[in-house]
Amino acid sequence: DAKTTQPPSMDCAEGRAANLPCNHSTISGNEYVYWYRQIHSQGPQYIIHGLKNNETNEMASLIITEDRKSSTLILPHATLRDTAVYYCIVRVGSNDYKLSFGAGTTVTVRA
Amino acid sequence: GAGVSQSPSNKVTEKGKDVELRCDPISGHTALYWYRQSLGQGLEFLIYFQGNSAPDKSGLPSDRFSAERTGGSVSTLTIQRTQQEDSAVYLCASRKYTRPRYEQYFGPGTRLTVT
Repeated sequence: DAKTTQPPSMDCAEGRAANLPCNHSTISGNEYVYWYRQIHSQGPQYIIHGLKNNETNEMASLIITEDRKSSTLILPHATLRDTAVYYCIVRVGSNDYKLSFGAGTTVTVRA
Repeated sequence: GAGVSQSPSNKVTEKGKDVELRCDPISGHTALYWYRQSLGQGLEFLIYFQGNSAPDKSGLPSDRFSAERTGGSVSTLTIQRTQQEDSAVYLCASRKYTRPRYEQYFGPGTRLTVT
């Protein structure tokens, strides 16, 4: 699976959009970009994933650059409950994928 | 609906004792995964069950670790002769179907402390 690079931490003001970058310059054509988050003392939570096109769901939007070497997760209106570690993962969309997380980005939403 | 549940939420045991950790997946989910997460570390895959297929045990760190899934539902992870390095949060996840667009849903984890 391709390696990803994320900033170690970022702050965001409550009610504002949070834009979380992820670099994956070695991504290959059949690899998806996945985002998970982990709130303190809880299990990881799936957020969104995409291959080429931008994606949006009730939690977030995912913007993937045309060359697919980087992506941005957007939380449109951050709340205090969005404070968590956010993980960007790149992997083949196989049937039995096993997750592995690196350090992620620690996002702190401030009132 | 009900999510993935795990028990106990916390377990403190003495070095050398055996422990059993339980996972109740979401009803109808065919795939079940065990992971562990050590303090400050990332997520480490342990074992994967899919339906009636033989489990993928490639992530188990030693033969002291084993897991079973009875009736395609509840799973138990057993650690024999626990060591201090086994201290971690053990996470269970389930997945409805093994196709890319079906994601894993995690339980809250069991925090294991070996003294």
